[in-house]
Amino acid sequence: EVQLVESGGGLVKPGGSLRLSCAASGFTFSNAWMSWVRQAPGKGLEWVGRIKSKADGGTTDYTAPIKGRFTISRDDSKNTLYLQMNSLKTEDTAVYYCHYYRDSSGYHYDYWGQGTLVTVSS
Amino acid sequence: QAVVTQEPSLTVSPGGTVTLTCGSSTGAVTSGHFPYWFQQKPGQAPRTLIYDTSNKHSWTPARFSGSLLGGKAALTLSGAQPEDEAEYYCLLSYGGAGVFGGGTKLTVL
Repeated sequence: EVQLVESGGGLVKPGGSLRLSCAASGFTFSNAWMSWVRQAPGKGLEWVGRIKSKADGGTTDYTAPIKGRFTISRDDSKNTLYLQMNSLKTEDTAVYYCHYYRDSSGYHYDYWGQGTLVTVSS
Repeated sequence: QAVVTQEPSLTVSPGGTVTLTCGSSTGAVTSGHFPYWFQQKPGQAPRTLIYDTSNKHSWTPARFSGSLLGGKAALTLSGAQPEDEAEYYCLLSYGGAGVFGGGTKLTVL
């Protein structure tokens, strides 16, 4: 059974940092293309970024508002996806989801974590 | 950053047909934007209905279909059911970076 379990959310002051983790199981994580999607309270979805599998270059792409502040990485030995968030702003307050959406062979999936709430407030 | 536009709200009668659209501020939406369509119900994570313009997952009801229409991506629902009442989001790719539309609240009434 595919599972994605996020952790690391919480309350942080503006300007602070936080690292989210997404522990994956039930599939070959090293082949996975993964993304982070966030949703501010009562608002729509916002694409944060994605990371390809190492076989496909392991490259990352980010949305403009977080570029330079957030970094997506992966540890295939731990089957874990990360989102390092620095210089946090109040507008980064949201539920953050990790999303497994395709693999190196081009096959598409649709598995989501339960979401972890990040609150940026003084 | 590009802006992706969707109708804020639409209403469809049970059994009726409705088309949701997804436009781009940069011009016509093409297959190169790899349009995705997501459905989200209150308190739930999103789920993907359509990927790469028109491809369905195994769980996508047959009444949903994706296409390109008049320079936009489109999601057509034929034979609406009460359980289709939800928020629908499109996602377009711009050279690898994704941008969601603002979402369409679909009411089945």
